[in-house]
Amino acid sequence: EVQLVESGGGLVQAGGSLRLSCIASGFTFSSDWMQWVRQVPGKGLVWVSRINSDGSTTNYADSVKGRFTISRDNTNNTLYLQMDSLRAEDTAVYYCASGFYSVKWGQGTLVTVSS
Amino acid sequence: EIVLTQSPGTLSLSPGERATLSCRASQSVRNNFLGWYQQKPGQAPRLLIYGVSSRATGIPDRFSGSGSGTDFSLTISRLEPEDFAVYYCQQYGTSPQTFGGGTKVEIK
Repeated sequence: EVQLVESGGGLVQAGGSLRLSCIASGFTFSSDWMQWVRQVPGKGLVWVSRINSDGSTTNYADSVKGRFTISRDNTNNTLYLQMDSLRAEDTAVYYCASGFYSVKWGQGTLVTVSS
Repeated sequence: EIVLTQSPGTLSLSPGERATLSCRASQSVRNNFLGWYQQKPGQAPRLLIYGVSSRATGIPDRFSGSGSGTDFSLTISRLEPEDFAVYYCQQYGTSPQTFGGGTKVEIK
């Protein structure tokens, strides 16, 4: 069974940093694209970033470009999102998802940025 | 970036009725890389459709997707009680990937 478990969320002050992790199991992690998507509670889905299977290709939403960095550790089946220079508008639930078109999703981790 | 506009914002229907949801793109979606997701309160989204019309694993055949270019739709042939939820379209052919604003299907 495919499982994605996010961690690392929490409360941080504006200007601070957080690193989110997503541990994957039940599929060949090293063969799959991975994504981060965020959602303000009660609002819609917003794509954040994606990374290809070997980490050589990354893409970002304009709103996070230059502040967030996606990476992966294929040895430990883990996806990361390093979030720097956090802003109040980055407050959201962050989901990791597997596949080029987000086949499976984790349950999300809440990031709250206080101003 | 490609803007996806979903309509209607809310669809009020009864169980057993047919639901048709629309997703219009501001420019052509490359390679028909268009998907649909279902999200229920307190849950993560679930992939229903990818590549415009391919059902994801385990998705019942009452869900179908169609369209091309800039106009796409998701049809639920007969609504079951568990289908009342919010539905999002997403294009993943051009970076940045984008989602539509969602359509809520509610019980009438």
